[in-house]
Amino acid sequence: EAGVTQSPTHLIKTRGQQATLRCSPISGHTSVYWYQQALGLGLQFLLWYDEGEERNRGNFPPRFSGRQFPNYSSELNVNALELEDSALYLCASSLGTFNTEAFFGQGTRLTVV
Amino acid sequence: DAKTTQPTSMDCAEGRAANLPCNHSTISGNEYVYWYRQIHSQGPQYIIHGLKNNETNEMASLIITEDRKSSTLILPHATLRDTAVYYCIVRVANTGNQFYFGTGTSLTVIP
Repeated sequence: EAGVTQSPTHLIKTRGQQATLRCSPISGHTSVYWYQQALGLGLQFLLWYDEGEERNRGNFPPRFSGRQFPNYSSELNVNALELEDSALYLCASSLGTFNTEAFFGQGTRLTVV
Repeated sequence: DAKTTQPTSMDCAEGRAANLPCNHSTISGNEYVYWYRQIHSQGPQYIIHGLKNNETNEMASLIITEDRKSSTLILPHATLRDTAVYYCIVRVANTGNQFYFGTGTSLTVIP
């Protein structure tokens, strides 16, 4: 069974541009989580989607947004890119119930120059 | 915000058991303890989770104290490939069900 897949693996953008990152969850999983991990730092929670709705977001500015599609895949959009947005962006998926584990993809490395 | 406290780093000899402690003194009755690890900026890997009973799977064992204020992850026979950052996470029910990662324990397995 395929795990969580993220694309692209690497992305290089110029400051001020927009970036779109994509995530395909494990089949049957309805919840998708997005995290940001800056170099040498821990994982910071960004967004949680479940059944197509945004359920919660972390302490990030509105230029970080996303959506979840009817097939439960998700995309993260980052507008007006800043140098400090350079990070590894991780997506995880889980069943929609409370006490189940989440499985992570390998991430998208975003570099803003 | 993370509700757990872990040592910053630990060493373990290859082949020996690695015991990674975690304090979660404010855990609520319906909150589970999860363990993940992250190797070299790869995506975190799920290890194990539990509520109040000890749990064991093919990767590790999880020992939760009776008062649930602390737990220990045990890797029974550590290998070099177990070198990673290990995260102990309490899944907080009333803040949207997401996982909050703290700073974790950097485990180094020494040959």
